[in-house]
Amino acid sequence: QVHLQESGPGLVKPSQTLSLTCTVSGGSVSSPNYYWSWIRQPAGKGLEWIGRIDLSGSTNYNPSLKSRVTISVDTSKNQFSLKLTSVTAADTAVYYCARGIAAAPVYSVDVWGQGTTVTVSS
Amino acid sequence: EIVLTQSPGTLSLSPGERATLSCRASQSVTSSYLAWYQHKPGQAPRLLIFGASGRATGIPDRFSGSGSGTDFTLTISRLEPEDFAVYYCQHYSNSLFGQGTKVEIK
Repeated sequence: QVHLQESGPGLVKPSQTLSLTCTVSGGSVSSPNYYWSWIRQPAGKGLEWIGRIDLSGSTNYNPSLKSRVTISVDTSKNQFSLKLTSVTAADTAVYYCARGIAAAPVYSVDVWGQGTTVTVSS
Repeated sequence: EIVLTQSPGTLSLSPGERATLSCRASQSVTSSYLAWYQHKPGQAPRLLIFGASGRATGIPDRFSGSGSGTDFTLTISRLEPEDFAVYYCQHYSNSLFGQGTKVEIK
């Protein structure tokens, strides 16, 4: 059973960089046909996809966040990470890491972390 | 860029009733890439439907998905108390979510 766990600061100052890590257990970030995503939900709003990375290191980002987002994978630690620069209060949200399957018939996210709350405030 | 529009925004129904949720794509999309998720407060979202109509592991058969092209539907045949939640559609091509439909108790 694959388990994902987010970690990182719960409070980030405006204009600084938000950094989160997702540790994968019970599976490998190097497994083929999977991709690794970050998704967030601001309070009172819907789910917002941030971006994803696959085994080859290929990334796709939400166009609305693309200029500020970097997702990377550390295979030696079985982790993947999110960096979001120049944060504002609008980036306050619950952040989820998640695993997606990129193989027929299941092109979707099948495993989610529990989520971690990040607040942007001085 | 594919945009997914869900309707209605809120659906007020009673337990035992049928729920029909819509997800419309801004252009024709591959149905194999269309998924539905359930999200309850304080919990991680859960995959319900993949490939527009395939039920994920452990999902009760009262949940069904259908559709093709630009129009997709999630149907809950008889609402159970635990089904009241927010539902999202997502397409793998760009991973963007629809804005969600809240199914609330009437």
